[in-house]
Amino acid sequence: SAVISQKPSRDICQRGTSLTIQCQVDSQVTMMFWYRQQPGQSLTLIATANQGSEATYESGFVIDKFPISRPNLTFSTLTVSNMSPEDSSIYLCSVSGTAIYEQYFGPGTRLTVT
Amino acid sequence: AQKVTQAQTEISVVEKEDVTLDCVYETRDTTYYLFWYKQPPSGELVFLIRRNSFDEQNEISGRYSWNFQKSTSSFNFTITASQVVDSAVYFCALSEPGTGANNLFFGTGTRLTVIP
Repeated sequence: SAVISQKPSRDICQRGTSLTIQCQVDSQVTMMFWYRQQPGQSLTLIATANQGSEATYESGFVIDKFPISRPNLTFSTLTVSNMSPEDSSIYLCSVSGTAIYEQYFGPGTRLTVT
Repeated sequence: AQKVTQAQTEISVVEKEDVTLDCVYETRDTTYYLFWYKQPPSGELVFLIRRNSFDEQNEISGRYSWNFQKSTSSFNFTITASQVVDSAVYFCALSEPGTGANNLFFGTGTRLTVIP
């Protein structure tokens, strides 16, 4: 199984600022995903990040608000731009393993926007 | 349409009681995967089980058991002799690799509270 770390684990940010969340995997993976979990809600996919190509965003999420980088097969970043209190959520990174049905999640980044 | 439905928003049981968490899914794919995850208050997602659409055998792991029924598109999760440590939010999820996407579609979760 893959071991995934995320930085920071939590942060409190002011409205209007941006935060970049890092996701590091201990092995090379093809697909990486970013999910958002708003307070008391389920997980919603933000985008799929593949190395060497632009991220694919789900409906309701745009690149200007959530730019994503995927410079190599073990690392990705998600930036939450121009934050508002509505962006307060847990942001989770996940990866797809060698078998397409394998899904591993990072510990999440708990973001609070004041 | 919601791909994964968890109709039970919250459940409370007294310790040592059995509890079943319901999950109903919707897909047109013949090949798909179903998952259950546990999310304790700390926030991380703990993987519990994965089933593929071709394996309808029920599975038991300690106090946990899963009942997969394709005829009713259900994948229910039972905890036997519940413990306080079982208190968490439980998510059922669906993967449809046949669509070319490997991401998971999550249900809205069921918050389980086990009362000592």
